[in-house]
Amino acid sequence: GAVVSQHPSWVICKSGTSVKIECRSLDFQATTMFWYRQFPKQSLMLMATSNEGSKATYEQGVEKDKFLINHASLTLSTLTVTSAHPEDSSFYICSARISGVSTGELFFGEGSRLTVL
Amino acid sequence: QKEVEQNSGPLSVPEGAIASLNCTYSDRVSQSFFWYRQYSGKSPELIMSIYSNGDKEDGRFTAQLNKASQYVSLLIRDSQPSDSATYLCAVTPTGGGNKLTFGTGTQLKVEL
Repeated sequence: GAVVSQHPSWVICKSGTSVKIECRSLDFQATTMFWYRQFPKQSLMLMATSNEGSKATYEQGVEKDKFLINHASLTLSTLTVTSAHPEDSSFYICSARISGVSTGELFFGEGSRLTVL
Repeated sequence: QKEVEQNSGPLSVPEGAIASLNCTYSDRVSQSFFWYRQYSGKSPELIMSIYSNGDKEDGRFTAQLNKASQYVSLLIRDSQPSDSATYLCAVTPTGGGNKLTFGTGTQLKVEL
């Protein structure tokens, strides 16, 4: 199956700092990647859709200036949490769909657990 | 009404029994339906996908779709303790071919 790799798997940072999370599709090209956030005992909430070579599309209520998304190639998307605060502590998960395949199946990265002190 | 609804559980079944997980969705013309399994602290992994009415079987798993009732279910036969996890139902809404909307998940516990 398709493999999506996410890095780092966990990160602890001080309040006010920025954190970058990388999402790579290892064996396929992904025109579109998705970033989700999951708080404890809650479901996945879509934050934004990352499109290769263009601006990301953010879901309602997600601050685009706080969560910077860059999708510079067909295999890499990055999420930067700027000026992180404790309320940003969460499990961030990226996912991708194989380019040209319209079945809707998503492949997920391993997730990145962010803790902001 | 939530777009995708699931009973949060926990659903407890004895080892070897059949576990039945249910999901309803609000968008009548949704086209694609998925079941993901998520272990605690891990990211979701795809278990089954189903696109047309009826049953789809894959090993111990059977997905059932009834578009008229806006209902999709997952049956796990011969449940094992390793099946204990949260099962997420996901739906691709109309016109949102790029997006998946997830339910809150049902926690399954398979007891020895």
